Amino acid sequence: DADVTQTPRNRITKTGKRIMLECSQTKGHDRMYWYRQDPGLGLQLIYYSFDVKDINKGEISDGYSVSRQAQAKFSLSLESAIPNQTALYFCATSEAGTGVSGELFFGEGSRLTVL
Amino acid sequence: KQEVTQIPAALSVPEGENLVLNCSFTDSAIYNLQWFRQDPGKGLTSLLLIQSSQREQTSGRLNASLDKSSGRSTLYIAASQPGDSATYLCAVLFETSGSRLTFGEGTQLTVNP
Repeated sequence: DADVTQTPRNRITKTGKRIMLECSQTKGHDRMYWYRQDPGLGLQLIYYSFDVKDINKGEISDGYSVSRQAQAKFSLSLESAIPNQTALYFCATSEAGTGVSGELFFGEGSRLTVL
Repeated sequence: KQEVTQIPAALSVPEGENLVLNCSFTDSAIYNLQWFRQDPGKGLTSLLLIQSSQREQTSGRLNASLDKSSGRSTLYIAASQPGDSATYLCAVLFETSGSRLTFGEGTQLTVNP
């Protein structure tokens, strides 16, 4: 089984619908991240969490929200999906450090298409 | 603005060649630099992590170097194989980034049999 698991792997939805992407990890890491990947734009950070009570906005948080339900679970929500949120979404984890991130481990990705 | 640039965007080589992928970054104040591999439609796999105090890291046929003062890192792949075909991404953790990695756009490598 993968250390970082994302569900669903693929989702097609319509404009205005609420969507939740879920991420769970078995690595025991405190830090979790949500990234978005678009062709020609690379990876952009949406939100990140350094522990269960910590949530931080990334570069492109508008239109998204997150919930850290437990150390091992971090979900990303699109309250009202729009077509330009069509992208490949990645969850990632890393160990805690003294303000410095260690090695990053990624899930397999969730491909979201908003029609 | 802190940026990470990877050139070329795409590279095609015959099997067996040694090759170098380049990554440059705009601020020398970094904590670490990480190289990833991404296969089409898949997640990113960490290849090598170089801390700011290190000059290089090696794993099998891969060797990554870091020159902070010039803002450059290279990923050297020895004796390339068709299975090495993938997109290689470089990511930098800048000291003033608030623990956020900045990614390059990647180099798409094709190794031809």
